[in-house]
Amino acid sequence: ETGVTQTPRHLVMGMTNKKSLKCEQHLGHNAMYWYKQSAKKPLELMFVYSLEERVENNSVPSRFSPECPNSSHLFLHLHTLQPEDSALYLCASSRGHHTEAFFGQGTRLTVV
Amino acid sequence: AQSVTQPDIHITVSEGASLELRCNYSYGATPYLFWYVQSPGQGLQLLLKYFSGDTLVQGIKGFEAEFKRSQSSFNLRKPSVHWSDAAEYFCAVGVEGGSARQLTFGSGTQLTVLP
Repeated sequence: ETGVTQTPRHLVMGMTNKKSLKCEQHLGHNAMYWYKQSAKKPLELMFVYSLEERVENNSVPSRFSPECPNSSHLFLHLHTLQPEDSALYLCASSRGHHTEAFFGQGTRLTVV
Repeated sequence: AQSVTQPDIHITVSEGASLELRCNYSYGATPYLFWYVQSPGQGLQLLLKYFSGDTLVQGIKGFEAEFKRSQSSFNLRKPSVHWSDAAEYFCAVGVEGGSARQLTFGSGTQLTVLP
C-alpha cells in the first residue's frame, strides 16, 4: 500500500472510445501529477495540479484531459487515442513544494 | 535545466555480489537527489533521498547512495544483492526549493540477479 491508488490497473480501449483513469491519494498531499512511461523512454511529466490549480504541459495532446476535483482525487480523461499512446500511466503526489513524490502502481493502457 | 544520466541500461550480477548503479546529474546549484525502484508492472517506490547534510544516505532494503558534488554523481550501492532486488532503478534530480513537478528522471537501469 503506497498511499496512492490508481484504477483501473489495466485498460484496453479502441481509438474511438472514451475512458477515464482515476487516482486517489490518502497522504494529505496537495499536489498531484500524471506521468507517462513508455518503453525505453524516461518518465514524461504530463500534468501537475498544485492546490487544485493545473500547471499545463504544452507538449501533451488535447486527447488527454486532466481533472482534479479536490486535493485527493485526480482523473485523466481519454478520448480518440492513438496506438502510440499505449503506455503505463503513473499518478504521483507530493506535499506542496516538497520535492519527494509518491507514486501509484500505474494503469497499463493499451490502445487498439 | 537539470538532466540525469544513467550510463548503464542493463546490469547483471550474481546473488550475494555487491552492486553499484551509476547516476550523474547536471544542475548548476545544489540538487535534491532520489533513487526509485520499479518492479515489473508496478509503480515507483522511493529507495532513498538526499537533500542536504551527510553525503552518504541510507535507504530501505539495505541500499545506500553517496552524493559526490565534485563528480556530479549519486551512485546507488548495496553490499549483497538478493534475488528480489531484480527490478528497474531510476535516479531523479530535483531543484532546491522547487516542487516535485521539477523532478527530472534518468532513463533507468534494469538489474538482473543470477542465482
